[in-house]
Amino acid sequence: DTAVSQTPKYLVTQMGNDKSIKCEQNLGHDTMYWYKQDSKKFLKIMFSYNNKELIINETVPNRFSPKSPDKAHLNLHINSLELGDSAVYFCASSQVGPGVNNYGYTFGSGTRLTVV
Amino acid sequence: GQNIDQPTEMTATEGAIVQINCTYQTSGFNGLFWYQQHAGEAPTFLSYNVLDGLEEKGRFSSFLSRSKGYSYLLLKELQMKDSASYLCAVRGAGTALIFGKGTTLSVSS
Repeated sequence: DTAVSQTPKYLVTQMGNDKSIKCEQNLGHDTMYWYKQDSKKFLKIMFSYNNKELIINETVPNRFSPKSPDKAHLNLHINSLELGDSAVYFCASSQVGPGVNNYGYTFGSGTRLTVV
Repeated sequence: GQNIDQPTEMTATEGAIVQINCTYQTSGFNGLFWYQQHAGEAPTFLSYNVLDGLEEKGRFSSFLSRSKGYSYLLLKELQMKDSASYLCAVRGAGTALIFGKGTTLSVSS
């Protein structure tokens, strides 16, 4: 019944590895996001997809590649992991468009990535 | 540029009232949100303001002044469980929320 689910919840990996984080929402929302929360708790937007189309691509190293196979899924693949990639990554979804007054997010539970 | 400022830390005692301020400068404005985040958990939605004025929801209220680029979150009858980070976020011209760095509130008995 989880509205926005992310897997895995914890990910510990070595520098240089490639890893993926998966996100799925069952709310029928049309827009999904990836945020990175650093050790100082600052939440920063990385990517956003609306109906499988990339609409936000912030200044993020191109080692990070999002993929949205359908509007309910948004995955994040990270190549050649670096120590500085250690953070909590949150997936979120929202419904935007006519007739929607509150475009607030529903967040997933987060993926704590530790690169060693 | 886009900037959202809020105090880094605040402390208060059980039963008290605390006000967390947020000032913002963004390209466009389509609403201001407050989220609560407990340690190790995801942010959860608290309130939404798009028009000037006060929105009240139980022990929590949020105020917005668009002309001043200012909002506050008011927490009444504080409880220990209110110890958390409180995130101010603005939706600018696009659909994404821009978050402030959060205010960590510690409630003591």
